[in-house]
Order: sequence, then structure tokens, then C-alpha cells
Amino acid sequence: GENVGLHLPTLSVQEGDNSIINCAYSNSASDYFIWYKQESGKGPQFIIDIRSNMDKRQGQRVTVLLNKTVKHLSLQIAATQPGDSAVYFCAGTTPNDYKLSFGAGTTVTVRA
Amino acid sequence: NAGVMQNPRHLVRRRGQEARLRCSPMKGHSHVYWYRQLPEEGLKFMVYLQKENIIDESGMPKERFSAEFPKEGPSILRIQQVVRGDSAAYFCASSPSAEPYGYTFGSGTRLTVV
Repeated sequence: GENVGLHLPTLSVQEGDNSIINCAYSNSASDYFIWYKQESGKGPQFIIDIRSNMDKRQGQRVTVLLNKTVKHLSLQIAATQPGDSAVYFCAGTTPNDYKLSFGAGTTVTVRA
Repeated sequence: NAGVMQNPRHLVRRRGQEARLRCSPMKGHSHVYWYRQLPEEGLKFMVYLQKENIIDESGMPKERFSAEFPKEGPSILRIQQVVRGDSAAYFCASSPSAEPYGYTFGSGTRLTVV
């Protein structure tokens, strides 16, 4: 299994600025990580994932960075928009496992 | 494709009653996972099922909780004799295989025990 945790429970960001959300994990055998966005009253929505053989992966306005040396990953959101306001979770798993271990979440609030 | 469908969205039960939560996986997905989310916390794995089989229930309390995924119909998470501590959001996810790569979550059932 895996233990993941987020560094900060809340993040306030100005609209148009970049957001960085951090996450640490404990199990060096973890090989797959996912970032989810959860809006109020909804289920987790997949944003981006990364496997342990990669250091960086980019999507539309989002980038995930993985540092296996310090067991840390981050989610960067470029040009943050009001619609990005949500709770963001990192989740991880180990090889051959189907269970995801979630961190507690970071609440991102975008200021107009 | 309607996605993962959960119902009801909100459920209120008095202490001691039974709660039944339903989950219909995405079309083509035969693997169902249930997670529980307590307020201000991340999701915690409860149980993994395939059609007619419980594969892993290591995250589910031994008493009062049960889950099934019959050959026909939705997966059901049943909580008997609910207590206030059962109040949480319960999420179902489905995937096409026994791997987390294709996970899709439903919108959840928010259970409130009064």
C-alpha cells in the first residue's frame, strides 16, 4: 500500500496566476500517481496521471512533476481560472495493486 | 455513456436503520470499488468487487457493512444499524480491469445519520 499526504490544506490564488499543489508519499515502491479534482457535491474527477518511470507529464494547462528521490509530486495549474476552484487530491498505488491511497486534499480558492 | 451512476445522491437515516447505496458501473466495466470519504479527509478504500464476487473487502468494517455485485443489476453497499459515525460520502468507482488506470468515479451518496 501507499500513504500519501498533501502539504497544505488550503491555497488561495489570484485568477490568472499559476498554482502549485504539493504531495508527498511514503512508499518508494509506488509506481503510479493520479491527481483528482473534486468540486462541491461531486465525485473525484481525473486530471492527470504519471507513472514512476517519468519525471514530468503535461496536459492541458496542467503539469505533474514527480521527484522519486524525495518522494514528492506536484500539480501545476497554469493561468488559474475561477472554474479551477475545488479540492485537489493526489492518489498513489503500488505495483499490481488496484487500491488507490488518497491524501487529505488541498482546497484551492481562486480570487477574482 | 452515462458514466458511473450512484443513487441516491443524498440519504438520511435514523440511528439503527439500514442504508442501501447503489452503484451502476460504466458500460463495459466489470470491476467496482467502493470508497468512503469522511469530512475534510481523502477517500479510503472499502471493497473491490467483480460480478458476483468480492475480491477484497479489507477496508470494510467487519460488522454491519456488506457489499454485493450481482450478475444482473447494480452493486449494493449495505450498512445495517447505522450509527452517527457512518455519516460520510460513499463513492463508487468502476474500471475495465483490475487496475487503477481506468478508474471512473461516480458522484457519490452522501449519507447522514440522525
